[in-house]
Amino acid sequence: DTGVSQNPRHKITKRGQNVTFRCDPISEHNRLYWYRQTLGQGPEFLTYFQNEAQLEKSRLLSDRFSAERPKGSFSTLEIQRTEQGDSAMYLCASSRDGSNYGYTFGSGTRLTVV
Amino acid sequence: EDQVTQSPEALRLQEGESSSLNCSYTVSGLRGLFWYRQDPGKGPEFLFTLYSAGEEKEKERLKATLTKKESFLHITAPKPEDSATYLCAVPIYNQGGKLIFGQGTELSVKP
Repeated sequence: DTGVSQNPRHKITKRGQNVTFRCDPISEHNRLYWYRQTLGQGPEFLTYFQNEAQLEKSRLLSDRFSAERPKGSFSTLEIQRTEQGDSAMYLCASSRDGSNYGYTFGSGTRLTVV
Repeated sequence: EDQVTQSPEALRLQEGESSSLNCSYTVSGLRGLFWYRQDPGKGPEFLFTLYSAGEEKEKERLKATLTKKESFLHITAPKPEDSATYLCAVPIYNQGGKLIFGQGTELSVKP
């Protein structure tokens, strides 16, 4: 068990470009969550998958954001036409149904839009 | 509206100076509260889960407690390596178990 893996760790992109992040959860975890965190704030929920089904999306997730989890394994988060306000740390977490042990987070992808 | 609030935003302690961090919450039907530690540039690291008022959990110099309205993270005789941001979060089970986080308390322990 290598924990939750996120790639890349850092991404610098020009405004207007598209970016894609990947998250590999703990293999036996069926739930996967994406969060966004800005400096000095706690993580904010973006979206959630149970297996391959995307069951909830936050109002924070504009139409420029899309997430997938094909076959209930890894997940990708794509941001189209990036804006400077998208600069943040994007965190992925996974858990088992009814987990009593919290949610395991990855180290995040730091996005900087210039 | 479900909400989690942490105080203080920042706390500076001398090594060995004990203190407490606060997490207050307003959620319907609390089914647990999590504490995490987050180091700069890293994801949150799970510390504790508390389920019911009166429950306490301990790990090294940290002890977490829970009441019906708030949770405390007590730090006894802290060391510089305890410096980090401490986050509390509440799962919302009728919304897929997503976590609602507080804004965190940034703890700095000076030698």
